Amino acid sequence: AAGVIQSPRHLIKEKRETATLKCYPIPRHDTVYWYQQGPGQDPQFLISFYEKMQSDKGSIPDRFSAQQFSDYHSELNMSSLELGDSALYFCASSLRTAKDSNQPQHFGDGTRLSIL
Amino acid sequence: AQKITQTQPGMFVQEKEAVTLDCTYDTSDPSYGLFWYKQPSSGEMIFLIYQGSYDQQNATEGRYSLNFQKARKSANLVISASQLGDSAMYFCAMREGGGGFKTIFGAGTRLFVKA
Repeated sequence: AAGVIQSPRHLIKEKRETATLKCYPIPRHDTVYWYQQGPGQDPQFLISFYEKMQSDKGSIPDRFSAQQFSDYHSELNMSSLELGDSALYFCASSLRTAKDSNQPQHFGDGTRLSIL
Repeated sequence: AQKITQTQPGMFVQEKEAVTLDCTYDTSDPSYGLFWYKQPSSGEMIFLIYQGSYDQQNATEGRYSLNFQKARKSANLVISASQLGDSAMYFCAMREGGGGFKTIFGAGTRLFVKA
C-alpha cells in the first residue's frame, strides 16, 4: 500500500539559510500534519491542513510557513535557519471522517535536517 | 489542556514474555482518540493501535492490545510474546475530537527485549 512520502530524506543547511520540505500524503487522505522531533524528544505538533486550509497550529515558529496544494501535497518552508532547528521533521496524513478522532495518522519516514 | 504521561523512560523484557507500557492522559473533551506508535532506531514512526473514547471494548491488533481504563484515564499498551524486533521507542499519543487536529505525544518509553 502507498505510504506517506517525504523528501528529501536528509538535508544539510547552514545557519540563516532556507529549506523546503515536501510531503506527499497517502492517496485520498485529505489531512496533512507536520511534526518536529528533536534528538531524544517526542514529536511536537507544528501545523495541520485539511482540504488545503490550515486547520490547526501548534508550536510552529514564525520563521516557518506551510501550505497544502491542490493535489494535497504539502510543503514546509523554513527560513533563517538556526542550530536549534536541527531535528527530524515528520509529515503524517489521515482521512477525516465525522468521528475524526478515531482516524490514525500515518507517518512518513521523516526528513532529517541538520544545521551547521 | 490535554496531556500525555509516560512514566517509564525505559523497560526491559525477556524475549517471549509479555510487557505493559504505561500511558495516562488528561483531557476535558469527552471525545478523543488514543494511539500508540513504535519508533525503531531507524527513525520511522509506525502506527500500532487505536482506542476511541467511546469504544466499549479494548482494542487489539495482533500481539498488541490496549488496556483502556477510562475512569483512570489510562491507556496502557500490552505487547504479548515479545520479539527482539520489538526493541524500540514507544509513544502514546492523543487527539481530541470535536474537530481538533492537534495531536500530542508522551515522552516515550524505550523498550529493550533481551534474548
